Amino acid sequence: GAVVSQHPSWVICKSGTSVKIECRSLDFQATTMFWYRQFPKQSLMLMATSNEGSKATYEQGVEKDKFLINHASLTLSTLTVTSAHPEDSSFYICSAKGLAGGHNEQFFGPGTRLTVL
Amino acid sequence: KQEVTQIPAALSVPEGENLVLNCSFTDSAIYNLQWFRQDPGKGLTSLLLIQSSQREQTSGRLNASLDKSSGRSTLYIAASQPGDSATYLCAVDNDYKLSFGAGTTVTVRA
Repeated sequence: GAVVSQHPSWVICKSGTSVKIECRSLDFQATTMFWYRQFPKQSLMLMATSNEGSKATYEQGVEKDKFLINHASLTLSTLTVTSAHPEDSSFYICSAKGLAGGHNEQFFGPGTRLTVL
Repeated sequence: KQEVTQIPAALSVPEGENLVLNCSFTDSAIYNLQWFRQDPGKGLTSLLLIQSSQREQTSGRLNASLDKSSGRSTLYIAASQPGDSATYLCAVDNDYKLSFGAGTTVTVRA
């Protein structure tokens, strides 16, 4: 149980285009989902927290107009990187907490590798 | 702001040796601490989660201890195998968010 999927697993796009990444909780309902990015040989940095049906909360330094997050249902959150540039190339990982929320365990997706040319 | 440090950054051991990975954190007001494994280019696999009220957790060859007052956790992997080669991350939960360390990259030589 507690499986989180991401799609696509990797994507290559041209500079200036937008890319959408999906995060799904497959066997549980997630009131809260998190989006992280990871640069090579570095740790995960939290970008934003999204709660179903409400606006995402972004961490300091993360541009909310560039990284659009939508959490429209209890099983799906999307991250759209708008007008992508090479510096946005990174590994993006989502995680989800179950309905109990709180300090319960987060379950992580397999990640999406974004390369912007 | 919570700062999580993992030492060493990299570790290479011969097969069969026990592994000791360290994690320290600056704010002891945590709710839980989690250890993850990450293979190159992959997502995270949860290994152990220790609640703040617990001192340790065990799963198979893995044992993790937590000393909240001193801001430290240690992950022990007994009788290491080449398949244990990966990056190990620790993360602490406070304020409903996880703060991650930079990880320890482990290589187990056959």
